[in-house]
Amino acid sequence: GAGVSQSPSNKVTEKGKDVELRCDPISGHTALYWYRQRLGQGLEFLIYFQGNSAPDKSGLPSDRFSAERTGESVSTLTIQRTQQEDSAVYLCASSLAAVVYGYTFGSGTRLTVV
Amino acid sequence: GESVGLHLPTLSVQEGDNSIINCAYSNSASDYFIWYKQESGKGPQFIIDIRSNMDKRQGQRVTVLLNKTVKHLSLQIAATQPGDSAVYFCAENTGANSKLTFGKGITLSVRP
Repeated sequence: GAGVSQSPSNKVTEKGKDVELRCDPISGHTALYWYRQRLGQGLEFLIYFQGNSAPDKSGLPSDRFSAERTGESVSTLTIQRTQQEDSAVYLCASSLAAVVYGYTFGSGTRLTVV
Repeated sequence: GESVGLHLPTLSVQEGDNSIINCAYSNSASDYFIWYKQESGKGPQFIIDIRSNMDKRQGQRVTVLLNKTVKHLSLQIAATQPGDSAVYFCAENTGANSKLTFGKGITLSVRP
């Protein structure tokens, strides 16, 4: 597609439930990133995929968080047993190869845990 | 809905004036810097970038200045317009897996 697409745009879930967030990167972009943005905060790095290399998971805050990517296409971020502190906007970005220029963000998924 | 800019520092400027948004970065080894603009409900959009071997770079109505001595980055917007109202983030890259480290963000509010 023309841009990075994320779904759903908004998600309200009950505490303790699992959620899946989806990201469709720009076609041909081999690098894909997930960031979390809490209210009034900057962007917090979560995980990075580059081609078929092992992902950089160093930003995942706990083992409740996981992400997958099939090849160079769609990625899903899964949060298990959601907590209220997980409420945030989750942003996905993609780029050509492992370079930061041309780092294009999606509009994000706003997750609210009640 | 809630604004992504809530609780962030705010810079208020008069339409037509020049804006200067400042950022202190954290890592002296960072070699690449980017300014992003984020409007409510949208993802961050690239504005301008600069490499560490430069101290100034100009775009259309925007200029980025880099002072490596004090680890300071600034974004200057000429003739600020209502459409410039947004949250602005600086980001730095140290080359490690190309992931960016973002600053907290500053809300720019343009008064008509």
